[in-house]
Amino acid sequence: GAVVSQHPSWVICKSGTSVKIECRSLDFQATTMFWYRQFPKQSLMLMATSNEGSKATYEQGVEKDKFLINHASLTLSTLTVTSAHPEDSSFYICSAREASGAGEQYFGPGTRLTVT
Amino acid sequence: KQEVTQIPAALSVPEGENLVLNCSFTDSAIYNLQWFRQDPGKGLTSLLLIQSSQREQTSGRLNASLDKSSGRSTLYIAASQPGDSATYLCAVLYNFNKFYFGSGTKLNVKP
Repeated sequence: GAVVSQHPSWVICKSGTSVKIECRSLDFQATTMFWYRQFPKQSLMLMATSNEGSKATYEQGVEKDKFLINHASLTLSTLTVTSAHPEDSSFYICSAREASGAGEQYFGPGTRLTVT
Repeated sequence: KQEVTQIPAALSVPEGENLVLNCSFTDSAIYNLQWFRQDPGKGLTSLLLIQSSQREQTSGRLNASLDKSSGRSTLYIAASQPGDSATYLCAVLYNFNKFYFGSGTKLNVKP
């Protein structure tokens, strides 16, 4: 099956710093990738949709200047949390959809971000 | 507004029991519906994908049904095992891009 990887799997950073999370589709091309956020014991909330070569589309309430998304190639999307604060601590999960196929999304293993 | 609801929020059953997890959605104009499994602190594992034109999908001990007109889907797990313990998430896809997740059902299968 299609595999999506995320790096790093967990990261601790200090308030005010920025952290970049990578999402890669390993064995397929993904024209569209999605970034989700999950707080403890809650479900996933879509943050933004990124299409290769164009600007990301952010969901209502998500600050685009704080969560920078870049989808530079068909296999890589990055999420940069800028000027991180403790309330940004969360589980970030990406997913990727194949350029062809039935619209199934394949999810990465997630990145645990802790801001101290 | 699209909403996805899962009932029950938590379920504890003895090993070997058959069980049903429920998912309901408010907008029936779905593209597809997917059931996922999530282990603590981990990402999502896709279990079953049902296209809007389909009524059900089966994989091993799992069977998922879809009734668009009533806005419901069920995930049936046969002969449950302790290894099935996890949180099960239902997600509905609209407009090929918008994926709405339910809050999940946390399943505990007791040996």
